[in-house]
Amino acid sequence: GENVEQHPSTLSVQEGDSAVIKCTYSDSASNYFPWYKQELGKGPQLIIDIRSNVGEKKDQRIAVTLNKTAKHFSLHITETQPEDSAVYFCAASGSGSARQLTFGSGTQLTVLP
Amino acid sequence: KAGVTQTPRYLIKTRGQQVTLSCSPISGHRSVSWYQQTPGQGLQFLFEYFSETQRNKGNFPGRFSGRQFSNSRSEMNVSTLELGDSALYLCASSRGQTDPNTEAFFGQGTRLTVV
Repeated sequence: GENVEQHPSTLSVQEGDSAVIKCTYSDSASNYFPWYKQELGKGPQLIIDIRSNVGEKKDQRIAVTLNKTAKHFSLHITETQPEDSAVYFCAASGSGSARQLTFGSGTQLTVLP
Repeated sequence: KAGVTQTPRYLIKTRGQQVTLSCSPISGHRSVSWYQQTPGQGLQFLFEYFSETQRNKGNFPGRFSGRQFSNSRSEMNVSTLELGDSALYLCASSRGQTDPNTEAFFGQGTRLTVV
């Protein structure tokens, strides 16, 4: 089955700096890659996603890049703010469907004021 | 538009008991997936229901089961609870149409503690 590895497990940045989280996946048939943000006591919130026919997608301060050849994708957050502090998860849909997601282990992002 | 609603938010059960968790998906969404989240194993897929049928199943024992009703609401049941079943159980809903690449939206989860 699909396996998703996520790095780093913890990341601290100064407010205003950029943050980058990286994930690799194993199933070359995976074609959908969402990113979720989870705050304490809440469920994961979808923040951005990318499909295999696209190399990059941007939404304001958040961007995701996908390298299908290398089987890795990354989340980029620019101009970080304290409210960006949370746990971020990458995920991949295997050859089945996006309704069955395989998640990375998560990255605790802390934005220091 | 209301989001995904999970009830109850918190549960405390004793080993050996059974428990039923409920999930109401976003209006118009027909697919409901369940995940278990623990500090050690992270987020793991349990199963997915669409139009009252289980379409996908993760690698969990038969003590974990679920069902979906005609209004798309879903329940999951865990029988003969073990201490290791303590976790946050999350439900995600999606449109579930022919395009498999539809977004999944999560509820707040049910925090189950087994004592």
